[in-house]
Amino acid sequence: AQSVTQLDSQVPVFEEAPVELRCNYSSSVSVYLFWYVQYPNQGLQLLLKYLSGSTLVKGINGFEAEFNKSQTSFHLRKPSVHISDTAEYFCAYSGGYQKVTFGTGTKLQVIP
Amino acid sequence: EAGVAQSPRYKIIEKRQSVAFWCNPISGHATLYWYQQILGQGPKLLIQFQNNGVVDDSQLPKDRFSAERLKGVDSTLKIQPAKLEDSAVYLCASSTSTGWVKTAGANVLTFGAGSRLTVL
Repeated sequence: AQSVTQLDSQVPVFEEAPVELRCNYSSSVSVYLFWYVQYPNQGLQLLLKYLSGSTLVKGINGFEAEFNKSQTSFHLRKPSVHISDTAEYFCAYSGGYQKVTFGTGTKLQVIP
Repeated sequence: EAGVAQSPRYKIIEKRQSVAFWCNPISGHATLYWYQQILGQGPKLLIQFQNNGVVDDSQLPKDRFSAERLKGVDSTLKIQPAKLEDSAVYLCASSTSTGWVKTAGANVLTFGAGSRLTVL
């Protein structure tokens, strides 16, 4: 079965420092990968997606992610975080059909 | 465009009572999903509809949960009777996907704000 693993449940980081949130996926023929963000008391919203083409994907709010097929990873990065980035981040995977499977989430806590 | 609408936002019930959640997806989106998100966990797919047909309900506890999407537009998720472990946020999402993903971005999900259920 398709799956994603988010290795860190919580990541504290100081404001303006860089951050990387890790995600690994189970291999499949077709791979579509996503990062969603969930702010407190809100639904999930799409941050960025990898469907095909360039392995470096840029999303909203200055986030980017790199698709690494050999390592089956799709880590999320931001060079300088802000207080407003405090949220929970979910990696998601789709193997080509409609089903989208989510990871367990990583809580990013930005410290002033 | 209008987003995915869900109601109610919050619901508190006692165990063994029943509850229903409603979702209206983005207009024209063929596929509708119900996810259960328990505190501290990622969203878990309960049921997925394509138009008014069920695509996947393998993780739906069918002895107590039911869902329908009769006209292929809005959907209702019901729990009867509720258990303490059903306390969670129920997320509805929709997408334009209509089968094997041939169109880039077709399986991008748009979520509603969620319905938070507390079972006492």
